[in-house]
Amino acid sequence: GAVVSQHPSWVICKSGTSVKIECRSLDFQATTMFWYRQFPKQSLMLMATSNEGSKATYEQGVEKDKFLINHASLTLSTLTVTSAHPEDSSFYICSARDYLKSSYNEQFFGPGTRLTVL
Amino acid sequence: AQTVTQSQPEMSVQEAETVTLSCTYDTSENNYYLFWYKQPPSRQMILVIRQEAYKQQNATENRFSVNFQKAAKSFSLKISDSQLGDTAMYFCAFMKPRGGQGGSEKLVFGKGMKLTVNP
Repeated sequence: GAVVSQHPSWVICKSGTSVKIECRSLDFQATTMFWYRQFPKQSLMLMATSNEGSKATYEQGVEKDKFLINHASLTLSTLTVTSAHPEDSSFYICSARDYLKSSYNEQFFGPGTRLTVL
Repeated sequence: AQTVTQSQPEMSVQEAETVTLSCTYDTSENNYYLFWYKQPPSRQMILVIRQEAYKQQNATENRFSVNFQKAAKSFSLKISDSQLGDTAMYFCAFMKPRGGQGGSEKLVFGKGMKLTVNP
């Protein structure tokens, strides 16, 4: 199956700093990637949809200036949490869609990144 | 907007037994996809099974099968011969495919249900 990686898997940062999380599709081209946020013992909430070469589409209530998304290539999307605060601590998960491989609209998920802001 | 409801927050089952996880959803669409995802303690999301709404036949994948009732907007997952490795959070999800009006391929997840398989 298609593989999606995320880096780093775990990051701790100080309040006020920025953190970048990478999402890579390893064996396919992903024209669309999705970023989710998951709080402990809760479900996944979609933050934004990232399309290669164009601006990301953010869900209602998600601050686009705080969560910067860049999808500069067909295999890489990045999420930058700017001026992070303790309330941004969460588990961030990306997924990717391979239009060439999947006719079932399947999204392939990365392993997630745990962000802790002190 | 579509909503997905998983009313059972937690269930447990004995190894080798059968368990059914419930899911209901609300939509005015006729064409859509439904999924069950598994999230084990590693937190890696794993696709368990998918169902296309236009297919009347219920999807099956080895020990996993669904009972899709389109009119009732119900999509339950049956796990047969439960194994210890089935212990995980299970999420039901809805997607309206791209191509239709307003389609975006966004996944809408239910709140999830924690399944514990006991030895």
